[in-house]
Amino acid sequence: DTGVSQDPRHKITKRGQNVTFRCDPISEHNRLYWYRQTLGQGPEFLTYFQNEAQLEKSRLLSDRFSAERPKGSFSTLEIQRTEQGDSAMYLCASSLGGRGGYTFGSGTRLTVV
Amino acid sequence: GQQLNQSPQSMFIQEGEDVSMNCTSSSIFNTWLWYKQEPGEGPVLLIALYKAGELTSNGRLTAQFGITRKDSFLNISASIPSDVGIYFCAGQSRNDYKLSFGAGTTVTVRA
Repeated sequence: DTGVSQDPRHKITKRGQNVTFRCDPISEHNRLYWYRQTLGQGPEFLTYFQNEAQLEKSRLLSDRFSAERPKGSFSTLEIQRTEQGDSAMYLCASSLGGRGGYTFGSGTRLTVV
Repeated sequence: GQQLNQSPQSMFIQEGEDVSMNCTSSSIFNTWLWYKQEPGEGPVLLIALYKAGELTSNGRLTAQFGITRKDSFLNISASIPSDVGIYFCAGQSRNDYKLSFGAGTTVTVRA
């Protein structure tokens, strides 16, 4: 068990570019979550997968955002036409079952310039 | 989303002191969680609470699930320098998988 891995750890991109982040959850965990965290705030829910099915998307997840978990293992989060307001830490987490605490990854810090 | 109010926002404490922080919600939660986050890292789960009135310890940390189910408290006893970080409370409703987080309490320890 190597924990939840996220790649890259840091990403700097120009406004208007597309970016993609990857998350590898703990192998036996069937649930995977994406959260976004801005400076001085707690994480905010973006979306959730149970196995390969995306079961809910927050209204924070605009049409420029898309997340996939094609085989129920790793997940990707893509942001198209990035904006400066997208600058944040993007956190992935996984769990076995729905109740209780998740295990978070170290996050991907996105800076849009 | 659900609003969690966490206080204090920040605290400076002397090494060896006991620390208390709390979290209140306008909604009832069935699970309360406390996480710690260090710079550049994701949150790490410290304590999970599943029952109203429950008091749970993890080393020098003790947390309680309020009997109204709308609040929770975290205490750190005999603080040490490695207690520095941001502490977040999070609540989870029945049959929900999402966590609602507070804005965090930043703890800085003076040696």
